[in-house]
Amino acid sequence: TQLLEQSPQFLSIQEGENLTVYCNSSSVFSSLQWYRQEPGEGPVLLVTVVTGGEVKKLKRLTFQFGDARKDSSLHITAAQTGDTGLYLCAGHSGNTGKLIFGQGTTLQVKP
Amino acid sequence: GEEVAQTPKHLVRGEGQKAKLYCAPIKGHSYVFWYQQVLKNEFKFLISFQNENVFDETGMPKERFSAKCLPNSPCSLEIQATKLEDSAVYFCASSPWAGDPYNEQFFGPGTRLTVL
Repeated sequence: TQLLEQSPQFLSIQEGENLTVYCNSSSVFSSLQWYRQEPGEGPVLLVTVVTGGEVKKLKRLTFQFGDARKDSSLHITAAQTGDTGLYLCAGHSGNTGKLIFGQGTTLQVKP
Repeated sequence: GEEVAQTPKHLVRGEGQKAKLYCAPIKGHSYVFWYQQVLKNEFKFLISFQNENVFDETGMPKERFSAKCLPNSPCSLEIQATKLEDSAVYFCASSPWAGDPYNEQFFGPGTRLTVL
């Protein structure tokens, strides 16, 4: 059974601080995706990383895929109140396309 | 449509009653996925369809849960004889294909099922 362990599950920081969210597994995934979910809505894709060691940047967000394609991290620089929300990592499970989700990280950025 | 539509938004059932949830995928998308979100964050894959055919049902509970995607109709997820632990938000997602690692799934707003 493929599992993704996401940490921390809750993070409360001040505006301007940096943070990193981790997603770890003992399984190899064909890709790792990061989603953001707002209350009352479905998750929305932020980024997909496919190649081992890949780094992608989306403004102040930096996503990295581990060399062995088993783990990933999301780093936010100078967090803003608008970054508040639930961040989910999800492993793409081969040919069937189903997503294996981590437990999620609830981020609260205080002004 | 351009968005995944799910109905109803909220559904309340007494334990033992039937619940039926609906999902209209984005037009042109061949794949539909159902997920269950419990305890606010934990997502669990239930079942997927390729058009009207079951594609992957490895997450589907053996009893009480069934799903269909029929031509020209919204897809449906039905729970017979609901239990308290079925209380969750059920999300439907659609995508144009499944096996591509870059594949993006587009999620609907979810149906919140509360079993009393």
